This record gives sequence, structure tokens and C-alpha cells, in this order.
Amino acid sequence: AQSVTQLDSQVPVFEEAPVELRCNYSSSVSVYLFWYVQYPNQGLQLLLKYLSGSTLVKGINGFEAEFNKSQTSFHLRKPSVHISDTAEYFCAVGYNTDKLIFGTGTRLQVFP
Amino acid sequence: DTEVTQTPKHLVMGMTNKKSLKCEQHMGHRAMYWYKQKAKKPPELMFVYSYEKLSINESVPSRFSPECPNSSLLNLHLHALQPEDSALYLCASSPREGMDTEAFFGQGTRLTVV
Repeated sequence: AQSVTQLDSQVPVFEEAPVELRCNYSSSVSVYLFWYVQYPNQGLQLLLKYLSGSTLVKGINGFEAEFNKSQTSFHLRKPSVHISDTAEYFCAVGYNTDKLIFGTGTRLQVFP
Repeated sequence: DTEVTQTPKHLVMGMTNKKSLKCEQHMGHRAMYWYKQKAKKPPELMFVYSYEKLSINESVPSRFSPECPNSSLLNLHLHALQPEDSALYLCASSPREGMDTEAFFGQGTRLTVV
């Protein structure tokens, strides 16, 4: 079955430090990859997406992600985090179906 | 206008009540979605409407009844819910159905069933 794995349920980090949130998916066939952010009591906001082309994708708020087909990964990175980046981050994958499959989420907690 | 607007933001209802959640978008999107999200869990797809027709129903109990009156509106009618149905209900829209298009999410309705 198709699945999305976010191994880290929580990632604590100090302000201005770099961060990487990991995402792996289960298939190497054509996929569409997304990262969404959810602030408390809010809906989801798209950070970035990979549909095709360059494997390094830049998104909003200084985030970027790299698509690695051989490792079936789409890790999210930011070189220097801010307190306001504290939120839940969801990786999502579209597998040529009409459904978006979400990972279980990673809680990024940024400390001053 | 790049917003998906959901009303109400919060709803408390008894198990015998009938209520409706509303979702509206004016981006000209032709696909609209309902998701259910429990605390500390990812969103789970409930329904997909494409060009105002129901295209996906993820085996959701009949106490949840979606309705798409026109291309801008999506409702979710609730009747005889159970306490375990308490969750954040998210509406989303995208230009068309298909997983290569970005979904825009509303802020959700926090539903509590008592």
C-alpha cells in the first residue's frame, strides 16, 4: 500500500539553528510531493511542492526541499529557524490517484 | 481572493442535533474536499467533489452528508453524530481534481459533539 513516513514526531531546535524534517514515501513511480504547515487551530498552508523538473524546490518562509528519487525521500530544510516557525509540518504525496496521502506530521518546536 | 472560508469556526452540538458546516471559495476552483482531522493526527479525506459531482466518498458514515449547491459552495450536513466525531473539519479546494494541483485549505470548523 502507498504510504508516507515522517519518522520524527517532534523536532526541538533553538532559534537560528538549521533544521531538517524528514519524509519518505513508499513508491518510486511518478509521484507529486508537497509540504504543508499547520499553525495551532488553523488550516493547512502549502509550503512547497514538487511536480517535476529541478529536484531542489524552494518554498515560502525560507524553506526548501530536495526530491531524491533513489531514496524515495523529500526532506524539508531551513538554514535558520525562527520562533514563528513553531508549527506542525505535514508531508503529503499524490500517487497518480485523486487522493493526497498525508504523513503523520512533525511538530517543530523552536526555542529562544 | 485566495481564501477558502469555513463557517462556523466552532460548533458544539448534541447527538440528536442537525447542523451544517459551510465552505466557500471564489477562486474558480472546480474541485472541493472535506477532510476530518483528529488531534495530533493528519487530515483524513472524507469526500471529493469535482465539477459539483461527488467523485470520492471514503466510506464515510451516512450521518455525514455532503452537498455541493454550486461551484463555489460546499456544505457538510451533520445528523445524529457521536462523540468520537468530534474533530477539526477542514474544507479545501483546488483548480481541478488531480494530485498534481495545489489544495487550498480553510481554517477549519472545530466540532465538539456532546
